[in-house]
Amino acid sequence: DQQVKQNSPSLSVQEGRISILNCDYTNSMFDYFLWYKKYPAEGPTFLISISSIKDKNEDGRFTVFLNKSAKHLSLHIVPSQPGDSAVYFCAASGSGAGSYQLTFGKGTKLSVIP
Amino acid sequence: ETGVTQTPRHLVMGMTNKKSLKCEQHLGHNAMYWYKQSAKKPLELMFVYNFKEQTENNSVPSRFSPECPNSSHLFLHLHTLQPEDSALYLCASSQDNGRSRSKNTEAFFGQGTRLTVV
Repeated sequence: DQQVKQNSPSLSVQEGRISILNCDYTNSMFDYFLWYKKYPAEGPTFLISISSIKDKNEDGRFTVFLNKSAKHLSLHIVPSQPGDSAVYFCAASGSGAGSYQLTFGKGTKLSVIP
Repeated sequence: ETGVTQTPRHLVMGMTNKKSLKCEQHLGHNAMYWYKQSAKKPLELMFVYNFKEQTENNSVPSRFSPECPNSSHLFLHLHTLQPEDSALYLCASSQDNGRSRSKNTEAFFGQGTRLTVV
């Protein structure tokens, strides 16, 4: 059973518009959430994270929103740029030592159209 | 360049072969990981090493054998694999400080080894 779900395998957005990538989780023990970005033939690179004590974290064009009651998080990219085209993975982890054992979603492929 | 280097980048092996994947990190991290990414599946954690000690083995078949000789190097020894083991194998490292987490302690991934078992 998948504990982290990204239900949209792909998303296309026009350049300059907002991209919204969604992620749902089922494990109540998760308290730290991350987004990774992956280009073809490269490993995932860390993008942004959020702790469960917050509901929003912003870094430049990237904002992650967390709704704990709904067990839902989303990544907003504004404005979207062609270089943002990649696969985005949502990941989650629990607390304590050894907390970097990430559980990943399947990923959403974002295509930003010039 | 993420500071985590994996070799080889591509590997084709027969089911009776023995091969090894290598991972090296230059970030001074104390934890290293092997992940497997199969087509249309989430990244799956295989093994975790913390301070060279294996702390996690997520029910991985014994045909996969990890080795961590020091905190900078991690190997994955492969023998008698099956075609369904064909996947992208990713190594990652992080500085595990227990409950303390910040952007600088996130996991860094290598570029992966694309393994094909024929």
